[in-house]
Parts: sequence; structure tokens; C-alpha cells
Amino acid sequence: EDKVVQSPLSLVVHEGDTVTLNCSYEVTNFRSLLWYKQEKKAPTFLFMLTSSGIEKKSGRLSSILDKKELFSILNITATQTGDSAIYLCAVLIQGAQKLVFGQGTRLTINP
Amino acid sequence: DSGVTQTPKHLITATGQRVTLRCSPRSGDLSVYWYQQSLDQGLQFLIQYYNGEERAKGNILERFSAQQFPDLHSELNLSSLELGDSALYFCASSPSQGVGELFFGEGSRLTVL
Repeated sequence: EDKVVQSPLSLVVHEGDTVTLNCSYEVTNFRSLLWYKQEKKAPTFLFMLTSSGIEKKSGRLSSILDKKELFSILNITATQTGDSAIYLCAVLIQGAQKLVFGQGTRLTINP
Repeated sequence: DSGVTQTPKHLITATGQRVTLRCSPRSGDLSVYWYQQSLDQGLQFLIQYYNGEERAKGNILERFSAQQFPDLHSELNLSSLELGDSALYFCASSPSQGVGELFFGEGSRLTVL
């Protein structure tokens, strides 16, 4: 069974801290890995990673994929209270036309 | 605003009842996906339609069914509702048949009492 596991499930830090969120996967036929941010309702797209070792960056957020060790990390530097959200990792299965999501990491940034 | 519209936003009903959730994808998107998100679980894939045809099926119960209409809007029908069906149901769309970036609606929160 295809599985995506995120850790930690919950994380509380202070504003200004740097955080690293983890996502590991075991899937039959990997195509790409996606990160989403879910605040109040709808998940919004952050990154899609297909190749190993190439960092994707957007402002204070960055992500990298390791296809050999089957994991990805999402880094957020100089965190702000607006970064508080659930961060979802999902793996696209080749040929199956579906995204398999992890449970999410609930990140809380305290002022 | 993702451009994906879901109605109703909230729905409260009783066990044994049937409900229909509606989704209008982004203009031009041909693929529609339905996901279920329960309290302590991630997003569970239910079903995908592309241009009116079912393309992929996930852990969708037999009591649930969906369809995509010629105008590309989609409906998810949930019948013989149970307490455990209470969840947030998301619709997402993408331009093509293959999944890349999905654009999610705000979700329909279903509460079964």
C-alpha cells in the first residue's frame, strides 16, 4: 500500500525560529512530491519536486527531495505567526492519477 | 481564491440520510478530484473525473458515488450516512488528466448527527 508519513505531527516554535518538516514515502511508482499549506480551509500549493537534490525556494520556504532515501524536507526560516498552518506532503503516483497525502504537520508559531 | 467553488459550505444532517455536494472547477480545468479529510487524518483520495469520465478511484465507499457533468461541474453523493462520514470534503481541479498542482475549493463540512 502506498504510504506517506510526515513528522513531526505537531510543532510549536517561537517567531524567528527555523523549522524543518519531514516527509517520507513508500510508494509503488513515484512521479513527484508536492507540498501544500492548509490554513483555515483549502490547501494551497507550495512546491512540486521531481528530481533529487534540486532545492526549490520561495522566499523563506525551501524544499528538497532525496529519491534514494525516499524523503523530502520543507524548511521555513525566520518563521512568522502567519506561517502557522498544517503543512501537507503528497506523492503523485505514476499512472494512478492520484495524490497520496500524509497526515500533515500542524505548525504553530508563537509571537 | 483558487477558482474552485464548492457548495454547500456547511451541512448538518442525520444518520441514514443522503446528501449531495457540488463542485465547480476552475474555468478550463477538465479534471476534478474529491478528497475526504477527517479530524485526525490527512486528505484521503476518493475519486477523479476527467472530462466527464471516471479516471481513478481511491478509498471511496460503495455508499458514495460521484459524477461529472457536460459543463464539467461535479457532484459527490453520500447516502445512508453514518456518524463516521462527518468530515470536510474537498474538491480540487487541474487542467489536465495527469495530476500536477491541484487547486482546492474551500471544502464542504458535513456533520452527521
